[in-house]
Amino acid sequence: GAVVSQHPSWVICKSGTSVKIECRSLDFQATTMFWYRQFPKQSLMLMATSNEGSKATYEQGVEKDKFLINHASLTLSTLTVTSAHPEDSSFYICSARDFGTAYGYTFGSGTRLTVV
Amino acid sequence: GQNIDQPTEMTATEGAIVQINCTYQTSGFNGLFWYQQHAGEAPTFLSYNVLDGLEEKGRFSSFLSRSKGYSYLLLKELQMKDSASYLCAVRAKHNAGNMLTFGGGTRLMVKP
Repeated sequence: GAVVSQHPSWVICKSGTSVKIECRSLDFQATTMFWYRQFPKQSLMLMATSNEGSKATYEQGVEKDKFLINHASLTLSTLTVTSAHPEDSSFYICSARDFGTAYGYTFGSGTRLTVV
Repeated sequence: GQNIDQPTEMTATEGAIVQINCTYQTSGFNGLFWYQQHAGEAPTFLSYNVLDGLEEKGRFSSFLSRSKGYSYLLLKELQMKDSASYLCAVRAKHNAGNMLTFGGGTRLMVKP
C-alpha cells in the first residue's frame, strides 16, 4: 500500500535554530500533503495544506513565516520550523492524500521535536 | 466550521465490548473516519463511513447516522493492545484539498 516516509523521527534542537522535517511518498504521487501538530494528550491539529508547485494554505493562527512549507515535487514535502522556541516542542505528522481510494490518507510516522 | 465531539477517556475490561461515540456538525459532509493512535506513533486507519449504517471489520465496527450527525466505533473482545487513542475525523466537501478535521480523541484504557 501507499507509504509516506517521514524524517527525522525525533530531533532535539536549541532555541533559535531551525529544523527541517521531510515527508516523502514512496510509491505514489502526493499532490496534496497535510501537516499536523499534536501536543501531548491532544488530537491532531491541522497546520497547513500544501499542494505540489503552489503555496501552502495555512490554518488560522499558524504563522506562515515561522512554519515554512515547501512542496516542490510530487513525492516530497518539507516543513521547516524557523527560530524554534520551547513552545514549538510537539509531535509533527504529515499526511498525504492518496486518491486511489476514497479513504486514502497515508500518514508519516511523525517527528517528535524538542526545543531546549 | 466543523465541530467534532468525543469522550476524552474511557476504561474497559479485557474481553469486553466498548462503544466510542462521536458527534459532529458540518455542512457538506463527505465521510467519517476512525483512526487508532498509540502514544508517539502515527494514526492508523480503522474505518470509513460515508453512507448510513454499520461497517464491520473483524473486531471493529463503525456506525454512521448522517441525519443525527453521529457515529460510533465498536470494539469487541477487547485486548490489552487495544489501549490507545481513537480519533474520529470528518471530511467535508468544501474543505480545500479534502482535508480531515479531527475530534479531540478518546483515550481508551483496557484493564485486565
